[in-house]
Amino acid sequence: AQSVTQLGSHVSVSEGALVLLRCNYSSSVPPYLFWYVQYPNQGLQLLLKYTTGATLVKGINGFEAEFKKSETSFHLTKPSAHMSDAAEYFCAVSFNTNAGKSTFGDGTTLTVKP
Amino acid sequence: NAGVTQTPKFRVLKTGQSMTLLCAQDMNHEYMYWYRQDPGMGLRLIHYSVGEGTTAKGEVPDGYNVSRLKKQNFLLGLESAAPSQTSVYFCASSYGIIRLHYNEQFFGPGTRLTVL
Repeated sequence: AQSVTQLGSHVSVSEGALVLLRCNYSSSVPPYLFWYVQYPNQGLQLLLKYTTGATLVKGINGFEAEFKKSETSFHLTKPSAHMSDAAEYFCAVSFNTNAGKSTFGDGTTLTVKP
Repeated sequence: NAGVTQTPKFRVLKTGQSMTLLCAQDMNHEYMYWYRQDPGMGLRLIHYSVGEGTTAKGEVPDGYNVSRLKKQNFLLGLESAAPSQTSVYFCASSYGIIRLHYNEQFFGPGTRLTVL
C-alpha cells in the first residue's frame, strides 16, 4: 500500500527566505506525485504535479519540486518566501490503476514571518 | 465554470439527526470523492465514485452513505450523526480515465459540520 510522510507539521520562515517542505512516499509502482495548497477556510488547489518525464517540475506562485526516485522524495521549494505563501501544504501520491484515488500526507502549515 | 460546489457551507446537528451534503461539478468529470479533514490527520477518503450509478468505500466509510444518481452530483449522507463526525468535509472530482490529467483532483470549498 502507498503512503506519504510529510516531515514537520509546522514550518516557519522569514519573508524572503528559502521555503523547503519535505515529502517522502512509499509505493511499489511508479507514482504520480502532487503538492496541493490550502488557504484558510478554502478547499485544496493544485500547486504542481509530477507524472512522467522531467523530474524537476515547476508550479504556480514560484514553487517547484524535484522527484528523486532513489530517495523516494518529492520536496517542495521556493527560493524566496512571501507573506501570501502562508497556508497549509499537502503532498499526495496516486497511481495509474487505483480509480484516481490519492493518498494525502498529514499536511505542513507554513508560517511566514515579516 | 463554477468548478466544484458544496452545499451547505456550515451546519450544526444534534446527535442522532440526519443530513445530506450535496456536491456538484460542472467539468464533466467521471470520478468524484468525499473526504473528511481533521486537525493533524490530513484528508481521509470516505467514499468515492468512478461513474454515474457507482459508488465504493474509502478509508473511513462507517456512518456514511453516498449516492451518484447523476454524473454531476455526489451526495454524502449521515443517517444518525455522532460527535465523532464533527469535521470539515471536502468533495473532489477528477477526469478519471483521461490519462493526460493523471488523477489531479479538483476540490470544493468544504462543509464545516459540528455534531453536538
